[in-house]
Amino acid sequence: DAKTTQPNSMESNEEEPVHLPCNHSTISGTDYIHWYRQLPSQGPEYVIHGLTSNVNNRMASLAIAEDRKSSTLILHRATLRDAAVYYCILTGSGGGADGLTFGKGTHLIIQP
Amino acid sequence: AAGVIQSPRHLIKEKRETATLKCYPIPRHDTVYWYQQGPGQDPQFLISFYEKMQSDKGSIPDRFSAQQFSDYHSELNMSSLELGDSALYFCASRVGAYNEQFFGPGTRLTVL
Repeated sequence: DAKTTQPNSMESNEEEPVHLPCNHSTISGTDYIHWYRQLPSQGPEYVIHGLTSNVNNRMASLAIAEDRKSSTLILHRATLRDAAVYYCILTGSGGGADGLTFGKGTHLIIQP
Repeated sequence: AAGVIQSPRHLIKEKRETATLKCYPIPRHDTVYWYQQGPGQDPQFLISFYEKMQSDKGSIPDRFSAQQFSDYHSELNMSSLELGDSALYFCASRVGAYNEQFFGPGTRLTVL
């Protein structure tokens, strides 16, 4: 499986944008880039995913490098509720029921 | 909106006992996943089912087995429990080809 590399932790202030980087230099052409997050004492939660183009949804934006070897999850205006561990995960094209491979993730700390 | 239901939410067992965890996916979801998250660790994929057939297998011990029933609910059976089996067990469900998984609240298993 292609691997991802994320910083162990990041800190940001409330109401400011947050950019969470992820490196995936061995990504294959059919791998999707998924982001999940896990709030304290809860199950993981889907955030966003993309293949080649940048993506936006109500939670966040995903910026994908042109060579697809890295991506950035953007939280436009962080709140205290966004404090969580954020996981960048590569998945296949979705035809099978492959499990998610969680790496170490980035522990995001939001300061009030 | 309906979410993934897991029961029980908490379970305490003795070493060498057996345990059965249940998962009820979101209605119309045809794929179920099981994950294990040890204390201070990241979630680890165990096994998945699509349309009642085992689809993908991760690091599931031989002492564990699982199945998906005709109503799409799934059960994870754990035998000869060990202290190291103490963990949060998450179930997730999915429908469609994009592998966006919806996680349940988890079952906390404590083995004494």
